[in-house]
This record gives sequence, structure tokens and C-alpha cells, in this order.
Amino acid sequence: GIQVEQSPPDLILQEGANSTLRCNFSDSVNNLQWFHQNPWGQLINLFYIPSGTKQNGRLSATTVATERYSLLYISSSQTTDSGVYFCAVSQAGTALIFGKGTTLSVSS
Amino acid sequence: EAGVAQSPRYKIIEKRQSVAFWCNPISGHATLYWYQQILGQGPKLLIQFQNNGVVDDSQLPKDRFSAERLKGVDSTLKIQPAKLEDSAVYLCASSRRDRRYNEQFFGPGTRLTVL
Repeated sequence: GIQVEQSPPDLILQEGANSTLRCNFSDSVNNLQWFHQNPWGQLINLFYIPSGTKQNGRLSATTVATERYSLLYISSSQTTDSGVYFCAVSQAGTALIFGKGTTLSVSS
Repeated sequence: EAGVAQSPRYKIIEKRQSVAFWCNPISGHATLYWYQQILGQGPKLLIQFQNNGVVDDSQLPKDRFSAERLKGVDSTLKIQPAKLEDSAVYLCASSRRDRRYNEQFFGPGTRLTVL
């Protein structure tokens, strides 16, 4: 099956810093999503991005499908950005396969 | 548009007891998924439904887990009897029936503790 690797596993930042999270996947996919899991366990959809670049406020994401990786950029981080960030992929019509996540801690 | 609804949010049971979780997907979403998330890991698929038919249940421990999706809308996941290792968050997700665009949306989850 498809393997999904996320890096770094843990990230500690001061408020206002920028960060880049990486997701590598082992096969071609039709779907790639980034999620933020908040302290209450809710998975919040950040981006649906099987290819290309998208931006939403302080967050942006880029997927290079031909090279099988995706990047999530967080600029001017805030304490509310803390939590676990998951990358997940799927092929046509199948369920998502998740990476192990990146745990982000932002301190004030 | 209402999101994916799940209940209960929390459940504590003794091992060997039974438990059931309920999920109501986003209106119009034909595909429904149940995932299990063990602490410190990413969610993993248990079962996938397309309308009321099973698409993938290869990872479902069928000796103790069962799931159904009546009339292609709501779904129920049951564990009987529960084991200590079933302690996890059970997440329900749904997506449109579209092989080219199948963004999945998740409910708040049910946190199960087996004592």
C-alpha cells in the first residue's frame, strides 16, 4: 500500500515564526488533504490539494504530484496553531491513508 | 451546511461489554467511512460504505466489530465484546461519490475508553 511520511515529527516555535511541514508519499494519488487536529481531537480540513498551490490566510500548501511530495507553510504562527498536522492521501474512490503527523507547539 | 454528526462524544465501558457509535454524514454524501485513531497515531480505516453497500472492510476485526448503513444515510459501528486495545477515538467521515473529487470531512469523533 501507499506509504506516507511526514517531517518533522515535532516542531516547537515562538509566536510569530514561520514553518514548513513536509509530506512524502510513495505512489501516485488522486487526493491529498492536510488536516489540523485540535486539542479536542477534531480533524479540521485545511487543504484539498492533489496538485498545485493554494493559500488560505496565513496558511498555504503546495503539492508536486510528479515528485510525490506536499508542503504546508504556516506563517506568523499563533498559539492557536498548536496541535497535530496530518497529511493524508488516497487513490480514486478509496479511503485516506494518513501519515504519523507533525506535532506543532507554539509558545507566546 | 451541517457537518458530520457523531454520538456519543465519550464512552467508558468495561472489557467484554458491548458499545455502539452512531454517525450521520453530510447531506448528499454517498460515501461514508469509519476510522480508528489510537493515541499518537494517524487514523486508520475500519470500513468504507458507498450508499448502503460495503466497499472496503478488509481492516475491520470482524470477530468483534460490525457496521451497517441503513438506507444509505446514517451508520452504526458496534464492538462486541470490547477489549482493552479498542480504546481509541472512532472517527466518521463522508465524501461525495466522485472519483475525481472526494474530499473527506470528519465528524468530532467518539472517544472510547475500555477498562
